[in-house]
Amino acid sequence: SQQGEEDPQALSIQEGENATMNCSYKTSINNLQWYRQNSGRGLVHLILIRSNEREKHSGRLRVTLDTSKKSSSLLITASRAADTASYFCAPDGGSQGNLIFGKGTKLSVKP
Amino acid sequence: GAGVSQTPSNKVTEKGKYVELRCDPISGHTALYWYRQSLGQGPEFLIYFQGTGAADDSGLPNDRFFAVRPEGSVSTLKIQRTERGDSAVYLCASSFAGTSGLDTQYFGPGTRLTVL
Repeated sequence: SQQGEEDPQALSIQEGENATMNCSYKTSINNLQWYRQNSGRGLVHLILIRSNEREKHSGRLRVTLDTSKKSSSLLITASRAADTASYFCAPDGGSQGNLIFGKGTKLSVKP
Repeated sequence: GAGVSQTPSNKVTEKGKYVELRCDPISGHTALYWYRQSLGQGPEFLIYFQGTGAADDSGLPNDRFFAVRPEGSVSTLKIQRTERGDSAVYLCASSFAGTSGLDTQYFGPGTRLTVL
């Protein structure tokens, strides 16, 4: 089954800095989604990028996708303390659409 | 409109008891998913419904776990003879069509289950 592996596992930065998180996966995908989770509760959908897209923006978020390297990255620019959360990538290549998550990147933004 | 809702938000039970966890998906979403998340881990897929039928239940860990969605909307996850290892946050998600991952999955806030 498909699974996203995030890197690094933990990232600590100062407010205002940029944060980059990477994701690698193993097999072909239809799309890849990024989610944020605060305090181990519900996941908030950030961005969905399709396999024929290379880059996508949403506010301070930029996601890239390199299908040849089977990798994706999430960049958060001008980070804020409120960005402190765990971030998960979820590639999907299965016929049923269920998402397979890795352990996530735990981001800490210090004020 | 309203998002995915889950009840209860917290459930504490004793080992061996039976529990039911409820999920109300976004109105009009035909696909519904259950995931389980243990501390420090990412969500783990349990079961996926397309309408009233379970299209994929390959993630259910054993036969103590069962889920239904009788009218194609609300779903109930049922756990029999609970064990301490069942303690986790149970997350529900829904999407519009669920066709091969082309749709965004929207998650509820989860139910934190603690088995004593």
